[in-house]
Amino acid sequence: EAGVTQFPSHSVIEKGQTVTLRCDPISGHDNLYWYRRVMGKEIKFLLHFVKESKQDESGMPNNRFLAERTGGTYSTLKVQPAELEDSGVYFCASSQDSGIDGYGYTFGSGTRLTVV
Amino acid sequence: RKEVEQDPGPFNVPEGATVAFNCTYSNSASQSFFWYRQDCRKEPKLLMSVYSSGNEDGRFTAQLNRASQYISLLIRDSKLSDSATYLCVVNGYNFNKFYFGSGTKLNVKP
Repeated sequence: EAGVTQFPSHSVIEKGQTVTLRCDPISGHDNLYWYRRVMGKEIKFLLHFVKESKQDESGMPNNRFLAERTGGTYSTLKVQPAELEDSGVYFCASSQDSGIDGYGYTFGSGTRLTVV
Repeated sequence: RKEVEQDPGPFNVPEGATVAFNCTYSNSASQSFFWYRQDCRKEPKLLMSVYSSGNEDGRFTAQLNRASQYISLLIRDSKLSDSATYLCVVNGYNFNKFYFGSGTKLNVKP
């Protein structure tokens, strides 16, 4: 079974530019999550999709971040315009069942974003 | 106050040692608890879920204390390959939103 795939693995962009991150969840996983870790901080929740619907986007830092999951398969996370504080590692995760059932997520290997 | 708190370590132990980590969480309504392992510059990988009755997987034992709101991870007979950062993960009021601790770093030395 293929795991959660993210690309690019690394991205270096200038402040003010736009970057789009992509996540392909494990096939059949309805739940897709975006998390990020900024330097020196713990991994924090950004948002949660169930199929194509945003279930919870309370962790999105501001309106420069836009996540989509058209068709309920892969997801994109766009940052426009990027700021220096957006630098960090962006993880995508997927799960078949909800967190309340006690099943953990499977994480992708992350996209390391550097804004210069 | 952080949702999940962990001692960052590092814990430096010799091979074969037994080591234990604790983690406290703030939301008494949390239902799901996990330990993840993260190697340097890699993604977190699920080590084990933590059940109310406690559970064991080989050399790893996880315990949950709801009254005191902490979970623990015990590693017996440490191996060099156990060196990693161990992340405590707990769900919050929104059961699909997980909160991560900042991780406890373990170094197992020959």
